[in-house]
Amino acid sequence: DGGITQSPKYLFRKEGQNVTLSCEQNLNHDAMYWYRQDPGQGLRLIYYSQIVNDFQKGDIAEGYSVSREKKESFPLTVTSAQKNPTAFYLCASSMKDLLLTDTQYFGPGTRLTVL
Amino acid sequence: QKEVEQNSGPLSVPEGAIASLNCTYSDRGSQSFFWYRQYSGKSPELIMSIYSNGDKEDGRFTAQLNKASQYVSLLIRDSQPSDSATYLCAPYLGGYQKVTFGIGTKLQVIP
Repeated sequence: DGGITQSPKYLFRKEGQNVTLSCEQNLNHDAMYWYRQDPGQGLRLIYYSQIVNDFQKGDIAEGYSVSREKKESFPLTVTSAQKNPTAFYLCASSMKDLLLTDTQYFGPGTRLTVL
Repeated sequence: QKEVEQNSGPLSVPEGAIASLNCTYSDRGSQSFFWYRQYSGKSPELIMSIYSNGDKEDGRFTAQLNKASQYVSLLIRDSQPSDSATYLCAPYLGGYQKVTFGIGTKLQVIP
C-alpha cells in the first residue's frame, strides 16, 4: 500500500522543548517537502529536499531543522527557537514526470499544539 | 500583489448546481496549475492539474486555464454536499521551482 505516512497525528509540546515530526513515503519519490498551515492561511513552505543528503530552506525555515539521510524519510524538528509552533504540519512528496512537472502528494498531517 | 489570489469564501451553492472557483496568479512564467481539495481537518488531495490553455474535464470537474489573463478556474458540475471543502489553487513555475499555494476557497454545498 503506497503512500505517505506522518506520525504522530497529534502532538503536544511544552514550551522550550524540541519535538520531531516523522514523515515516511514508499512512493519512490525523489523530492519531499514540509509545510505549515495555520487557520485561515495557505500552506507555507518550511523546508524541501530534492535529493538525499540535500535540502533547502523554504519561506519560513527559522526555528525548524530537517535531515534527509534516506530517500524514504524526511523528519522535521521543531525547535524551542520557533516562537509560535502551534499549527497543522503537512509533509508532501513528488517526482518529476516527463514534462518535468512536480505533482505533490500529501501525507495526513500532524497537528502540533504547544501547551 | 499576492502570488496567488483566491476568494476565501465561503461560496454557497445549492445541491445540483455548478460551483465556480476562481484563481488569479501573478507570475506569468507559471507552467502548470494544480487544484487540491481539503476537507476540514484533513490534508490536501489532488483533484486536477492543467498545463495548457483551455478546458480539461475529469468527471464532474472542469479546469479552465487562460494564461494571457493569468486566470485559472475550477468548475464542479452537479455539486454534492460531499464537495463541501476548501479548494486550493497552486501554480507551478516548472523545473526545480517550488509550487505556490493559494489560501483556498471554502465551498459549501447546501442540500
